[in-house]
Amino acid sequence: DSGVTQTPKHLITATGQRVTLRCSPRSGDLSVYWYQQSLDQGLQFLIQYYNGEERAKGNILERFSAQQFPDLHSELNLSSLELGDSALYFCASSPGGQHYEQYFGPGTRLTVT
Amino acid sequence: DAKTTQPNSMESNEEEPVHLPCNHSTISGTDYIHWYRQLPSQGPEYVIHGLTSNVNNRMASLAIAEDRKSSTLILHRATLRDAAVYYCILRDYSGGGADGLTFGKGTHLIIQP
Repeated sequence: DSGVTQTPKHLITATGQRVTLRCSPRSGDLSVYWYQQSLDQGLQFLIQYYNGEERAKGNILERFSAQQFPDLHSELNLSSLELGDSALYFCASSPGGQHYEQYFGPGTRLTVT
Repeated sequence: DAKTTQPNSMESNEEEPVHLPCNHSTISGTDYIHWYRQLPSQGPEYVIHGLTSNVNNRMASLAIAEDRKSSTLILHRATLRDAAVYYCILRDYSGGGADGLTFGKGTHLIIQP
């Protein structure tokens, strides 16, 4: 158990819909990262937040957005969903900065039908 | 980010040592070598990291070539629970802290009983 929790575990929705994925980091960690894992693209970094502020963006689509709240939990919002958005979405946390390892949650499996 | 090259898959027997290679010929002086692994149906898990000297922890050892253009992750006595995809990742410590991990395809390690 990494100490990172993600909800829900599974999500099935239709094309065009909007969903929100939630992540609670390990106690004391200030950085939260979101990753997408699909069969064709592998594991890709989407976005990083540090203490409530956006720190870095990776391959995140404009239809996707995220935020980190004062209690440090984070939400990833996916809108106008397409079939290709079906994937595993992982959240990771770290104390902050590249000097620390990242601890990953169990993931949310999103299926878009 | 500097690129790493790993074999697609490797096979080993249970209770034998496993040496997982990684080539990173374009590594820069500020790049640390990190290893993560992803067990089936789980999020990635940090294994070990190093800069120049060989490193040991409870999970594995990391042997780094003198010119730092390659490294080897060593599992001293593989068990069935070590069957996973192992990722070798370079992390630049010279930046300001934005540090999403760049995953390649990794090495799929198969352990035979």
